[in-house]
Amino acid sequence: DGGITQSPKYLFRKEGQNVTLSCEQNLNHDAMYWYRQDPGQGLRLIYYSQIVNDFQKGDIAEGYSVSREKKESFPLTVTSAQKNPTAFYLCASSSILVTSGSYEQYFGPGTRLTVT
Amino acid sequence: GDSVTQMEGPVTLSEEAFLTINCTYTATGYPSLFWYVQYPGEGLQLLLKATKADDKGSNKGFEATYRKETTSFHLEKGSVQVSDSAVYFCALSAPSNDYKLSFGAGTTVTVRA
Repeated sequence: DGGITQSPKYLFRKEGQNVTLSCEQNLNHDAMYWYRQDPGQGLRLIYYSQIVNDFQKGDIAEGYSVSREKKESFPLTVTSAQKNPTAFYLCASSSILVTSGSYEQYFGPGTRLTVT
Repeated sequence: GDSVTQMEGPVTLSEEAFLTINCTYTATGYPSLFWYVQYPGEGLQLLLKATKADDKGSNKGFEATYRKETTSFHLEKGSVQVSDSAVYFCALSAPSNDYKLSFGAGTTVTVRA
């Protein structure tokens, strides 16, 4: 089955520790995205990547880092510099070919990170 | 910049009632428009989409029509079920914004039996 996987579903860390969230897709999509969702709120873009070895900051990149060494993978590291890291993190991907039409994004199931 | 404004919730309905969630947008050029649905504890699922003016997207009994003259993309369903309880997000994607999605704030819908 084609899709996006995120692991783990729940993650617990102590304050001051870096933590890496996994995102893998087998949809052959060029673009991948990381969003943060806080309770009762919409989605905010953290980072995105449209091609391997290249990525851009989104609206709330401070305290986060990413890498894009393979087309299929886009891990997100939440660093100790992120002041309020407890949130629900969503990964997404999309095709950016003109022929694909509408550039809709497909989302993974999310990782709920709790930092205490 | 590009933006989406959607009806604030929460919305509470009885089963078989008619549902409308309003969504208006601001964008340069010709955006694509989407409705996503999020069930508790899950990621977002694409519900329907429209890529040009007067297109109607439909799926699972939900419909939305791309109205360029009113810059709107309202979501409707004629008869809701308890299983439709979820958060609904309106979104747009435009070349002027690198095809990133701009989301509305989300509308929480609760359907009671």
